[in-house]
Amino acid sequence: DVKVTQSSRYLVKRTGEKVFLECVQDMDHENMFWYRQDPGLGLRLIYFSYDVKMKEKGDIPEGYSVSREKKERFSLILESASTNQTSMYLCASSFLSASGGLSTGELFFGEGSRLTVL
Amino acid sequence: AQSVTQPDIHITVSEGASLELRCNYSYGATPYLFWYVQSPGQGLQLLLKYFSGDTLVQGIKGFEAEFKRSQSSFNLRKPSVHWSDAAEYFCAVGARAAGNKLTFGGGTRVLVKP
Repeated sequence: DVKVTQSSRYLVKRTGEKVFLECVQDMDHENMFWYRQDPGLGLRLIYFSYDVKMKEKGDIPEGYSVSREKKERFSLILESASTNQTSMYLCASSFLSASGGLSTGELFFGEGSRLTVL
Repeated sequence: AQSVTQPDIHITVSEGASLELRCNYSYGATPYLFWYVQSPGQGLQLLLKYFSGDTLVQGIKGFEAEFKRSQSSFNLRKPSVHWSDAAEYFCAVGARAAGNKLTFGGGTRVLVKP
């Protein structure tokens, strides 16, 4: 089974702190994603990556950055946390199709990291 | 840009009754469509997916969904709900033109009455 592991289930940080959220997947997936989940808004894409050292902005990248130094690991960084970044953060991964074409898009999710910024 | 609307924020259903969750999407070409379920404190689990072919798709846990292109809908159904089906359900749309990104709806929370 695919396993996507997020290092912290619950974090409490202060405004202005630098926050790192780590995500590791064990299925050699090329694609990795960070979403945030808020009540009534569903999941919104922050950043994604198709390959090592590659990143693309999603729909709400402001206030976030990412790092992908190894294929299995994708980190989300909040350079200076603010209270409006209090949320559930979900990491996901997916693979390219066997033919090398575009992925069918099925995502495999971690259990989430609930961040509270005070 | 693609978008997904789940009109119902909350649905309460009695155990043993049928369930239908609505999903409407907006996308110019043939989409890839997904339903995910999230149990309390958990990540999202894939229930079913549609890429092409038969428009009635069977998934896990007794769920099915029907793709209706004319209505831009992908509604999820279950004939008889179990208490363990209480969860939040998310519809998502993806497409080749958008790469591998999925766009999610706002979710529908299902409560099951005994």
